[in-house]
Amino acid sequence: DTGVSQDPRHKITKRGQNVTFRCDPISEHNRLYWYRQTLGQGPEFLTYFQNEAQLEKSRLLSDRFSAERPKGSFSTLEIQRTEQGDSAMYLCASSQTSGGPDTQYFGPGTRLTVL
Amino acid sequence: SQQGEEDPQALSIQEGENATMNCSYKTSINNLQWYRQNSGRGLVHLILIRSNEREKHSGRLRVTLDTSKKSSSLLITASRAADTASYFCASPGLYNQGGKLIFGQGTELSVKP
Repeated sequence: DTGVSQDPRHKITKRGQNVTFRCDPISEHNRLYWYRQTLGQGPEFLTYFQNEAQLEKSRLLSDRFSAERPKGSFSTLEIQRTEQGDSAMYLCASSQTSGGPDTQYFGPGTRLTVL
Repeated sequence: SQQGEEDPQALSIQEGENATMNCSYKTSINNLQWYRQNSGRGLVHLILIRSNEREKHSGRLRVTLDTSKKSSSLLITASRAADTASYFCASPGLYNQGGKLIFGQGTELSVKP
């Protein structure tokens, strides 16, 4: 257990529905990341926050995806009008900037299945 | 698109043997990290090597970095069944900024007792 929690762990939804995932980072960490991972592949970066500011978004993040970190603590990732191609594991990670490269601590992930 | 390429994609060995995994990347980096993922779970950080380092050790792990060839290797010595997992190399984004990681596709290691 890294100290990063994600909820829910599993989500099954029908195509066209909206889903929201939550990530609670390690409390003193100022950076929070979202990644997506499909079977047999490495995680792909989606977006990250430093405190409450969203500093970078991947081109993978279509308009149907939105992420927030309203108070610089927990974060939510919402997918609107889900498609079958959104089925994946959604991973959250957090880190504390130290002036050097960050070590990221990952949560257990939320596995999304879109029927 | 992912930056790293890992080789082999899958590796099966007997307990006690050494396992070597290789990673290549495309752009200049200031550090490279290795992570481990047990089936269906989150990733765990193993080791970080900076661009001015050629080799780094942590317990049974040894990582090398060759910036001229843009490649890295992870060696696990005296493997155990509990080492069975997927292993990923991860490098920083373009210009080494922002903290995001670009992962390779991973090597799936199976250690048979």
